[in-house]
Amino acid sequence: EPEVTQTPSHQVTQMGQEVILRCVPISNHLYFYWYRQILGQKVEFLVSFYNNEISEKSEIFDDQFSVERPDGSNFTLKIRSTKLEDSAMYFCASRGRRQGGKNEQFFGPGTRLTVL
Amino acid sequence: GDSVTQMEGPVTLSEEAFLTINCTYTATGYPSLFWYVQYPGEGLQLLLKATKADDKGSNKGFEATYRKETTSFHLEKGSVQVSDSAVYFCALLPNTGNQFYFGTGTSLTVIP
Repeated sequence: EPEVTQTPSHQVTQMGQEVILRCVPISNHLYFYWYRQILGQKVEFLVSFYNNEISEKSEIFDDQFSVERPDGSNFTLKIRSTKLEDSAMYFCASRGRRQGGKNEQFFGPGTRLTVL
Repeated sequence: GDSVTQMEGPVTLSEEAFLTINCTYTATGYPSLFWYVQYPGEGLQLLLKATKADDKGSNKGFEATYRKETTSFHLEKGSVQVSDSAVYFCALLPNTGNQFYFGTGTSLTVIP
């Protein structure tokens, strides 16, 4: 069964460093998402991406964040200058075309980012 | 704004016990409601969903009914198994837009 994959599973970085989190969505999907979960808090929406551009973003997704689909398979989240409060689990998700009103998003296993 | 409030955990049950995890929501219009499950080391998997009032979602013995009058979508299972140990997330998708709103997750541990 096709699935969303994410690498790395755990990333440790120093404050101020840049990190890139990688996701490989399901191959025929067209809509891509990033969510994050700070430990003990809710899973929060960051950004959605469709047709090579951001379609929606939350207040969390400020100028230090960017997303890219550099080739036909990867979908990346870059954090330019990490802060301690960026430590969280980051989930990638993808979805195909809406069918019959169904718009299920398929989630990856997550990347745990620890900023020291 | 739209939000989901979920029963806090962790929850520990003996095998074959009855499970209820409460979930209530705040939303305008008619959202779709979901339960996702995350097994250790894995991603979020869709467990069940309901797209309109009074719909019942069900899967793997789990059930949840979309109750608009109480704005609730409580997850239930009559007899839990050790393999049900996981974190359960209630989520809402507004009828416009494609951003999910999640609860904080409830950790369930089932002991033999």
